[in-house]
Amino acid sequence: DAGVIQSPRHEVTEMGQEVTLRCKPISGHDYLFWYRQTMMRGLELLIYFNNNVPIDDSGMPEDRFSAKMPNASFSTLKIQPSEPRDSAVYFCASSPSGNNEQFFGPGTRLTVL
Amino acid sequence: AQKITQTQPGMFVQEKEAVTLDCTYDTSDQSYGLFWYKQPSSGEMIFLIYQGSYDEQNATEGRYSLNFQKARKSANLVISASQLGDSAMYFCVLKGGSYIPTFGRGTSLIVHP
Repeated sequence: DAGVIQSPRHEVTEMGQEVTLRCKPISGHDYLFWYRQTMMRGLELLIYFNNNVPIDDSGMPEDRFSAKMPNASFSTLKIQPSEPRDSAVYFCASSPSGNNEQFFGPGTRLTVL
Repeated sequence: AQKITQTQPGMFVQEKEAVTLDCTYDTSDQSYGLFWYKQPSSGEMIFLIYQGSYDEQNATEGRYSLNFQKARKSANLVISASQLGDSAMYFCVLKGGSYIPTFGRGTSLIVHP
């Protein structure tokens, strides 16, 4: 298996632009997690899905952030409009069940100018 | 609420020596799991080892072992025979019944030659 795939790996955009981050989980994994990592705040869980259904989105910082999982093999995290404070590394991770270890993607490094 | 505490922001160890990275946790769940991840400077998150709350024996994976003391709510990671490639950030993670993972702030380990 190719592991969790994220795209793009790097994104540089200007304030106010829409940003879409993409994730393909490992086939057969029922859980998908989106995280944000910054030096100041560490690793924060934004949202997680079980069988394509959002279960907990309490970590989503504000209405500018939205996440979808239209099918078992694809998820997106969208920021609209983006702001400089959104600059971070965004990780996607998948897990075969709720109490198993998570397998992380390589991350997307987002820079908002 | 779940909580993970990693009290050592940075640790130094000589190559070939053993090192212990501390982790204490708090949860009201009876069934939970504890995980350790490694994040090298390249940024990827690598799963190292898992301990279930009902596991009677401490988990081991190669040079990694988990010193699990349930009554003290601690789950320290022990790395034996440190190698230069062990230099990285190490995160302790707790997952309770809700399956929402709680990450510690991490410990930066530097292995000296």
